[in-house]
Order: sequence, then C-alpha cells, then structure tokens
Amino acid sequence: DAKTTQPNSMESNEEEPVHLPCNHSTISGTDYIHWYRQLPSQGPEYVIHGLTSNVNNRMASLAIAEDRKSSTLILHRATLRDAAVYYCILGNFGNEKLTFGTGTRLTIIP
Amino acid sequence: DAGVIQSPRHEVTEMGQEVTLRCKPISGHDYLFWYRQTMMRGLELLIYFNNNVPIDDSGMPEDRFSAKMPNASFSTLKIQPSEPRDSAVYFCASSLYFGRQELNYGYTFGSGTRLTVV
Repeated sequence: DAKTTQPNSMESNEEEPVHLPCNHSTISGTDYIHWYRQLPSQGPEYVIHGLTSNVNNRMASLAIAEDRKSSTLILHRATLRDAAVYYCILGNFGNEKLTFGTGTRLTIIP
Repeated sequence: DAGVIQSPRHEVTEMGQEVTLRCKPISGHDYLFWYRQTMMRGLELLIYFNNNVPIDDSGMPEDRFSAKMPNASFSTLKIQPSEPRDSAVYFCASSLYFGRQELNYGYTFGSGTRLTVV
C-alpha cells in the first residue's frame, strides 16, 4: 500500500481556517486521496476524497498538488467540534480496503 | 437510514469465553469491513467482505478470530477463546463499490463495540 505522511499534531484557533497537510510521494496514477476524521469516542467519519482536481463539499475542501505528491485538507472556519484525529489515506479501484495510519490530532483553541 | 448498527456497545468478558460482535450494514452497501482499534496499534483492518463473500482476511490476528456474513444485512465477528490482549474497540463499516462515484460517500462506520477481556 502506498504510504502517507502527516504531522502528529496541530493546533488552530477557533473560527480560523485550518490547513492539514499530507505527503504521499509514492502515489500511483490510480490512487484516490481520502480523508477521514475521528472525533473522540466515535468511529471514523468520511470527510472528502479526490483524484486530481481540487474538491469541495459541505465539510471541507481538498487541495491536491499538481504532481499529486501532496495534498491539503482545508477546514474553512474551525469550530470546537472539529477537534479530532484526521487521517489521509490512499485507495483505488479494485482495492476497496483503506489502511489507516496514525493521522494528525487537531486541537482547536477557543 | 439508521447507519451502521453494532451490538453490543460494551462487552466485558472473562478470559477463555467466546465473544460475538454483531454488525448491521447500511442497506444497499456492497462492502463490509471489520476494524480493531487500540492505543498501541491504531486502527487495523481485520477482514472485509464484498457481496457477503470474504475478500481479504489477512488482518485477522489468529485462528481464534472468525467472521461471517450470512446475508447482506448481518455480519458477526467471533473470538473464541478470548484473551486480555483482545481488549479493544471493534468497528464495523460499510460502503458502496468505490466505482459508483456519484453515490460514494466513503465508508460509514458504526459506533463500535468496546471489548474488555479480564
């Protein structure tokens, strides 16, 4: 499985944007970039995924580098509820399993 | 939809006893996954099914673990005999086939079963 690298932890102030980086230098052409998050005492929750183009949904935006070797999850206006562990994962067609790494623990400062 | 439903939420059992964890996936989902989460090892994929058929069980730690999916709406993960090192939170997740992009919102996880083996 292609690997991703994320910072262990990050802090951000409430109501400010948050940029969570992910490096995936060995990504293959068919790998999608998936982001999940896990709130305290809950199961992981899907956030967003993309292949080449930037993606937006109601939760976040995903910015993908032109060479696809890195990506950034953007939370436009962090709230206390966004405090969670954020996982960046690679996956592709025909191999539906997703392997979770250690993720980035995001702390939101009131 | 009620989401992925797991039972029980908490299970405390004595070493050597059989434990059965249950999962009801989202109706219409093609895939079902069992994960285990501990502080030391994080989230580990144990096994996954496609259309009720086990596809990859390489993550099952040993023969004491078994999983079944007798129909599209039910799956079990059984540990027999249980050991203290099996204590963890066990998650079930389901998803559509990834190729159905217009419908795909990734995996949906259940709330998990916290297993404690004493």
